[in-house]
Amino acid sequence: EAQVTQNPRYLITVTGKKLTVTCSQNMNHEYMSWYRQDPGLGLRQIYYSMNVEVTDKGDVPEGYKVSRKEKRNFPLILESPSPNQTSLYFCASSSGGTQYFGPGTRLLVL
Amino acid sequence: EDQVTQSPEALRLQEGESSSLNCSYTVSGLRGLFWYRQDPGKGPEFLFTLYSAGEEKEKERLKATLTKKESFLHITAPKPEDSATYLCAVPIGWGYGGSQGNLIFGKGTKLSVKP
Repeated sequence: EAQVTQNPRYLITVTGKKLTVTCSQNMNHEYMSWYRQDPGLGLRQIYYSMNVEVTDKGDVPEGYKVSRKEKRNFPLILESPSPNQTSLYFCASSSGGTQYFGPGTRLLVL
Repeated sequence: EDQVTQSPEALRLQEGESSSLNCSYTVSGLRGLFWYRQDPGKGPEFLFTLYSAGEEKEKERLKATLTKKESFLHITAPKPEDSATYLCAVPIGWGYGGSQGNLIFGKGTKLSVKP
């Protein structure tokens, strides 16, 4: 089954404690992306990657890092999380015009 | 400034009452417009991609159309299961091989269909 998986699905952490949210796709897609979704602000792109070792900033990259060492994986790294990064995060992958989203990771930073 | 605006923010319909959702955009050199459906707590689900003015695409009770400044999502005889938030998105820039680059989403229209 074609899918995008994210882990963990839910995470509660404290300010400053580094964390990584993993994202993996099994469709051999070149393009992957991370979004955050907040009430009243909608979906905003954090980072995207057009292929292995090729990443670029989206609209809200501050406080986040990404890496793309393998085609299937695109982890999102929060080096020093802060409460304003509390949000619902989605990973997505696509080839051509169809974009597939993961199930989401709900993050709470205390 | 590149922008995507959706209206209305919320729409309540009776089952069978057809209507349209609007997505207007201001981007230079449109290279595609995407429609998604999102159920509460879930990731957006792809519906349509439109590439040029005049293009139309249909799926069950949904039909998406595109002009040079806006797109419409027409819902014909909706059912309660069509209740969801509908999102549109536009890419800024276009990567090689058809990938999408930086994608801007509208804030969505929350559709409720009452039986």
